[in-house]
Amino acid sequence: KAGVTQTPRYLIKTRGQQVTLSCSPISGHRSVSWYQQTPGQGLQFLFEYFSETQRNKGNFPGRFSGRQFSNSRSEMNVSTLELGDSALYLCASSLAASGQETQYFGPGTRLLVL
Amino acid sequence: KQEVTQIPAALSVPEGENLVLNCSFTDSAIYNLQWFRQDPGKGLTSLLLIQSSQREQTSGRLNASLDKSSGRSTLYIAASQPGDSATYLCAVPPRGGSNYKLTFGKGTLLTVNP
Repeated sequence: KAGVTQTPRYLIKTRGQQVTLSCSPISGHRSVSWYQQTPGQGLQFLFEYFSETQRNKGNFPGRFSGRQFSNSRSEMNVSTLELGDSALYLCASSLAASGQETQYFGPGTRLLVL
Repeated sequence: KQEVTQIPAALSVPEGENLVLNCSFTDSAIYNLQWFRQDPGKGLTSLLLIQSSQREQTSGRLNASLDKSSGRSTLYIAASQPGDSATYLCAVPPRGGSNYKLTFGKGTLLTVNP
């Protein structure tokens, strides 16, 4: 069974641009969560999608948005990029049957904002 | 607000040693706790998930314990190997909530020297 895949793996952007990251969950998984990881703040929850609906949201500005498609694939978008958005962005998927299942993480997309 | 602390932040041991990593959390009303491993620049790999009704969970040389009343979990690694070198993170869901929105500790960076 293929794991969680994220594309692209690396990205370099400049301030003010926007970026879209993609996440394909494990086949059959219906929940996709997104996290931002930085050396200073560690891993922080961005948002979670289930059946094309955002169910949970973290404390990030509105520049961070996402969506989920009918095949459970998810994208996140960051508009008007700032230097502080440089981070490793991880997505995780789970079956979403009971809410107590293990979260499976992808390899991440490393974003560098110049 | 749930807070997760991991001590020590870094640990260096010679190969073959048994070691313990610590994780503490402020809100004990959790359904479970997960331990993850992260290799440099990579995503997270789930190691163990302990339900609140369990006290221990074992996988190979790894043993994780959970004491909800004291807000603590430990990850015991037996007979450490250089391949165990990585950052180890613990994570908990919100109070009474599901695993889609995890709060992570900052991690313990483990180095096992040959």
